Amino acid sequence: GENVEQHPSTLSVQEGDSAVIKCTYSDSASNYFPWYKQELGKRPQLIIDIRSNVGEKKDQRIAVTLNKTAKHFSLHITETQPEDSAVYFCAAIKNSGNTPLVFGKGTRLSVIA
Amino acid sequence: SQTIHQWPATLVQPVGSPLSLECTVEGTSNPNLYWYRQAAGRGLQLLFYSVGIGQISSEVPQNLSASRPQDRQFILSSKKLLLSDSGFYLCAWSLGTGYTFGSGTRLTVV
Repeated sequence: GENVEQHPSTLSVQEGDSAVIKCTYSDSASNYFPWYKQELGKRPQLIIDIRSNVGEKKDQRIAVTLNKTAKHFSLHITETQPEDSAVYFCAAIKNSGNTPLVFGKGTRLSVIA
Repeated sequence: SQTIHQWPATLVQPVGSPLSLECTVEGTSNPNLYWYRQAAGRGLQLLFYSVGIGQISSEVPQNLSASRPQDRQFILSSKKLLLSDSGFYLCAWSLGTGYTFGSGTRLTVV
């Protein structure tokens, strides 16, 4: 089955700097890759996703890149702000509709003002 | 629009007591439903998922069980809670790919 590895487990950046979180997946058939943000005590919320027919997707300060050959995808946050501090989870799934998302173990991002 | 309701928000239960957590989805039909558990500071552990009424797949053997008596209702149960059952329980739904999570139940077993 699918296995998703996420690095780093913790990340501290200065406000205004960029943050990059990386994930690798094992199943070359996976074709949907969402990223979730979980603030302390809250539910995870989808912040951006990418499908395998696209190499990059951007939404304001957040971008995701996908390298299908290397089975690697990354989350990029530019101009970080204190409110970006949270745990971020990557995930992967085959778009068959009935198999669960496989999540990475999460990255705790701290943005230092 | 679709909404997901999960209750209660917090629960303190003694060891050995039963558990019932309920999750309902509105505004959609035949969703895939999921129960996750999150220990403090840890990742998302998939417990059960369901692709239809009465269809339950278990990911982790334990003293928990799940049921789906109606299309948009998913219930997590235990006959006797253990201390290790403490955690943040999240219900989620999807129609294929992206998940929407409920607001979660923080369970403390004492």
